Amino acid sequence: NAGVTQTPKFQVLKTGQSMTLQCAQDMNHEYMSWYRQDPGMGLRLIHYSVGAGITDQGEVPNGYNVSRSTTEDFPLRLLSAAPSQTSVYFCASSITRQTGNTIYFGEGSWLTVV
Amino acid sequence: SQQGEEDPQALSIQEGENATMNCSYKTSINNLQWYRQNSGRGLVHLILIRSNEREKHSGRLRVTLDTSKKSSSLLITASRAADTASYFCATGWDSGNTPLVFGKGTRLSVIA
Repeated sequence: NAGVTQTPKFQVLKTGQSMTLQCAQDMNHEYMSWYRQDPGMGLRLIHYSVGAGITDQGEVPNGYNVSRSTTEDFPLRLLSAAPSQTSVYFCASSITRQTGNTIYFGEGSWLTVV
Repeated sequence: SQQGEEDPQALSIQEGENATMNCSYKTSINNLQWYRQNSGRGLVHLILIRSNEREKHSGRLRVTLDTSKKSSSLLITASRAADTASYFCATGWDSGNTPLVFGKGTRLSVIA
């Protein structure tokens, strides 16, 4: 049972490049989400999904796309990277969207856009 | 926004002392959770307290919730150097489609 797995761990992009952050969970969780963490800003929700085929926007969705074709996978796509997207990204999952459930986090992906 | 705000932003104590962190929020909630983040790692769930509870314990952790003051506190007793981490509160409201919202965290340093 690996939990929530994110790849890559570190990535440097040039402005305008695109990339996908991968996220997979093996706990059969319905709910998956992506956060970004910036100094002094805490965790901010980018996108989330309550089940396969269903996604919704969080607090800071601009510049990011997501899809949920399977229960296990929830990739985050940066369409045209900007320096403002330099951040640490965390994928997370919980058994359902109910907020009383424990959220399990991946180990993070450090992204630098130059 | 119902985002929790932790206080203090940073806390430095000696090993063996108790550490208290506070979380205030703005709107009514169903539950509040505390998470811990070691440097360079993901967040790990510590404890959940529901709106009808006033206090919960888990090992050296004690969490209180005062819904009238819209605040919660996390007490770590007999702190250890290994408790050095950032601690976040997260508030939940299950009406509608509102995901859990995290605060900005308290950075705790426990000096051996």
